[in-house]
Amino acid sequence: DAMVIQNPRYQVTQFGKPVTLSCSQTLNHNVMYWYQQKSSQAPKLLFHYYDKDFNNEADTPDNFQSRRPNTSFCFLDIRSPGLGDAAMYLCATSRQGDSNQPQHFGDGTRLSIL
Amino acid sequence: LAKTTQPISMDSYEGQEVNITCSHNNIATNDYITWYQQFPSQGPRFIIQGYKTKVTNEVASLFIPADRKSSTLSLPRVSLSDTAVYYCLVGVYGGYNKLIFGAGTRLAVHP
Repeated sequence: DAMVIQNPRYQVTQFGKPVTLSCSQTLNHNVMYWYQQKSSQAPKLLFHYYDKDFNNEADTPDNFQSRRPNTSFCFLDIRSPGLGDAAMYLCATSRQGDSNQPQHFGDGTRLSIL
Repeated sequence: LAKTTQPISMDSYEGQEVNITCSHNNIATNDYITWYQQFPSQGPRFIIQGYKTKVTNEVASLFIPADRKSSTLSLPRVSLSDTAVYYCLVGVYGGYNKLIFGAGTRLAVHP
């Protein structure tokens, strides 16, 4: 049973056209994360929510925003996608914020920019 | 945050035991060590986690020496389906679970 679901699996957008990626979870976890993973690179944390508290990484571009309307859903908004934003975007959850709480990942959304 | 260092790639054959060592020299007292596996076009999947000594589950074993400055993931009798990237991470205890992924180890299992 899928526990962290990302839709769509593949997304194509045009240069500069806003795009939203979605993530839902059935685990009722407190923390939700967004990672960016470019080809042959490791995932890179963009930001995370601990309940409703938003935590942005220092080097995350302003072009990237996130929303978490409720426990189950989290969205990644890219306001003006550039060619360099083409990547796999991974959503993850964890029950709490401690390092002994494994993260559960979705299978990602692969974003292409035309 | 403790930085981790792993071999970039490893090769093995079906049926062999594979050991992947990760160094984390500046691990903090309360940090846990966690390993994830990632297949192409999928998200990372939790394999095993430990704090000290040895941890074993149905998938792998994790060996952590007393000084905790390194850890070794052991995969018994690998199969072709174990071909993946393996990430070693050291997280911050007591704070937000901020995972900083290193480059990982790309394991190729051959027939």
